[in-house]
Amino acid sequence: QKEVEQDPGPLSVPEGAIVSLNCTYSNSAFQYFMWYRQYSRKGPELLMYTYSSGNKEDGRFTAQVDKSSKYISLFIRDSQPSDSATYLCAMKKGGSQGNLIFGKGTKLSVKP
Amino acid sequence: GAGVSQSPRYKVAKRGQDVALRCDPISGHVSLFWYQQALGQGPEFLTYFQNEAQLDKSGLPSDRFFAERPEGSVSTLKIQRTQQEDSAVYLCASSLDRGPNTGELFFGEGSRLTVL
Repeated sequence: QKEVEQDPGPLSVPEGAIVSLNCTYSNSAFQYFMWYRQYSRKGPELLMYTYSSGNKEDGRFTAQVDKSSKYISLFIRDSQPSDSATYLCAMKKGGSQGNLIFGKGTKLSVKP
Repeated sequence: GAGVSQSPRYKVAKRGQDVALRCDPISGHVSLFWYQQALGQGPEFLTYFQNEAQLDKSGLPSDRFFAERPEGSVSTLKIQRTQQEDSAVYLCASSLDRGPNTGELFFGEGSRLTVL
């Protein structure tokens, strides 16, 4: 079993839909949780950053972390065709340094 | 430029050839990471530098893979005697290691290696 599990999809939704993306993890040492967005043939770019448990909202995006269940989510409201990309969850153990462990990524397509 | 720069963007190598991939991180970023991303997969960690020190190379898949960052800025990932299974996108990332988003990695666009 990998440390971080993520359903690769693909996920196809109509424009305006609410999108829910999820990851589960096994290592309780993870404390930093991130969501990256990756467009085709581009590098990943940070979308949301959360430390420990709780919710964080930024515009149409909400990230949730439930450490007791080892489960993280990203919600996208009023989805747009420009949101079509692969969404990667990533996490890191405590401390400012060290590598991120990524999920496999979920490919999202938002149809106009 | 302001972002992480990688070259070449695309590289085709014959099996058995050596390749070198270059990464120019964001100025002032102390940490530099190399990741390997196979088709349809998430990035897999290869190695990590803090300045010129290679602190973690546990992700390098074999002794054919070698990375260096001699002056603490530009880094090179070298793959010797390339094999078909080395075909992937090699991503370089750098981070500042301080500030509100500690640990945020800034990625380059990657070097896509195809081994024939």
